[in-house]
Amino acid sequence: QLQLQESGSGLVKPSQTLSLTCAVSGGSISSGGYSWSWIRQPPGKGLEWIGYIYHSGSTYYNPSLKSRVTISVDRSKNQFSLKLSSVTAADTAVYYCARVNWNYRGAFDIWGQGTMVTVSS
Amino acid sequence: DIQMTQSPSTLSASVGDRVTITCRASQSISSWLAWYQQKPGKAPKLLIYKASSLESGVPSRFSGSGSGTEFTLTISSLQPDDFATYYCQQYNSYLWTFGQGTKVEIK
Repeated sequence: QLQLQESGSGLVKPSQTLSLTCAVSGGSISSGGYSWSWIRQPPGKGLEWIGYIYHSGSTYYNPSLKSRVTISVDRSKNQFSLKLSSVTAADTAVYYCARVNWNYRGAFDIWGQGTMVTVSS
Repeated sequence: DIQMTQSPSTLSASVGDRVTITCRASQSISSWLAWYQQKPGKAPKLLIYKASSLESGVPSRFSGSGSGTEFTLTISSLQPDDFATYYCQQYNSYLWTFGQGTKVEIK
């Protein structure tokens, strides 16, 4: 059964770059019919989609974050990554990686457990 | 961008109640809509996809309906395990948007 696991720095200083990786296990990141996304949730608030990547490397980002976001894929390691630059306290959130299932019309059918990232000096 | 408006924001209900949550899209999204359940400290769990298709393993008391701009999630008989926050989510042209969430509380 496919599983996703986020990892990365849990504490980031303001103005620095947040870096997270999502390891895909139990299946290939290049499997047809699927793509990959990052989603975040500030404490006590709702879900916000950050961006998307296909295993070919094609990306799409939330327009509100586009200038600061980079998502990349490493097919050899079966993982994809998120970088968010110039972070502020508003970027403090639980960050989730998730699989996009195109057979489900773009629904996120598998999620990682999430990782808390705090932006603080 | 397509905005998703969920109502109500909070819902108080008792075990056994029929519960309905509504999600409205700012423009037509056909049936590119999903529903999720989230419990505190946990990742969201997919319940419904393509507006009305039940994800494998999800109890049949959950159902979804609608197309275009108006969608509903119905729980036919609320169970203790169903007290949680529910989100709708739309997809359109490589952009995804979530509703603001509906918290289902014990009455």
